[in-house]
Amino acid sequence: KAGVTQTPRYLIKTRGQQVTLSCSPISGHRSVSWYQQTPGQGLQFLFEYFSETQRNKGNFPGRFSGRQFSNSRSEMNVSTLELGDSALYLCASSLSGGSAGANVLTFGAGSRLTVL
Amino acid sequence: QQQVKQSPQSLIVQKGGISIINCAYENTAFDYFPWYQQFPGKGPALLIAIRPDVSEKKEGRFTISFNKSAKQFSLHIMDSQPGDSATYFCAASWGAASKLTFGTGTRLQVTL
Repeated sequence: KAGVTQTPRYLIKTRGQQVTLSCSPISGHRSVSWYQQTPGQGLQFLFEYFSETQRNKGNFPGRFSGRQFSNSRSEMNVSTLELGDSALYLCASSLSGGSAGANVLTFGAGSRLTVL
Repeated sequence: QQQVKQSPQSLIVQKGGISIINCAYENTAFDYFPWYQQFPGKGPALLIAIRPDVSEKKEGRFTISFNKSAKQFSLHIMDSQPGDSATYFCAASWGAASKLTFGTGTRLQVTL
């Protein structure tokens, strides 16, 4: 059974550019969540999508956005990149989310973004 | 606002010893407390999780102890092995399991 696949694994951008990251969840999983991991702030929740709708959102500026497609694949976009956006962006999928503890989150290996 | 505090930041344990990592939370609405293990270059992987209606949960060498009144929970790794060397994160959530609030992580090194 394939795990959560994130592409690209590594990318380098310059300030002011935008970036799109992709996530393919485990087959059958309908919930996709995104997290940002940095040495300073740790793991922080960005947003969650379920059935193509954003169900939860963390405390990030509007430059961070996402979407989910009908096949549950998800993308996140960061516009007007800042140096502080350099991080490992992790995608996690679960069957449906919603009920606490009812669904295990399975994380991908992440996309490491470096902003120069 | 940091809602889950984790300690220690790093931990060195000899092979065969017990590794103990502690977490404290503030939000009494939290009702799901998982622990994740992360190896370099990998995403976090669920290790074990507990709900507040249970004071302890054991899975193999890994045990979660939960103290609801103190708003604390801890991970105990018995008979620690070099392969356990990784970063461990506690987390908490309520309502929606996908929105996890993570602790700052503990880097565990198990020496021979």
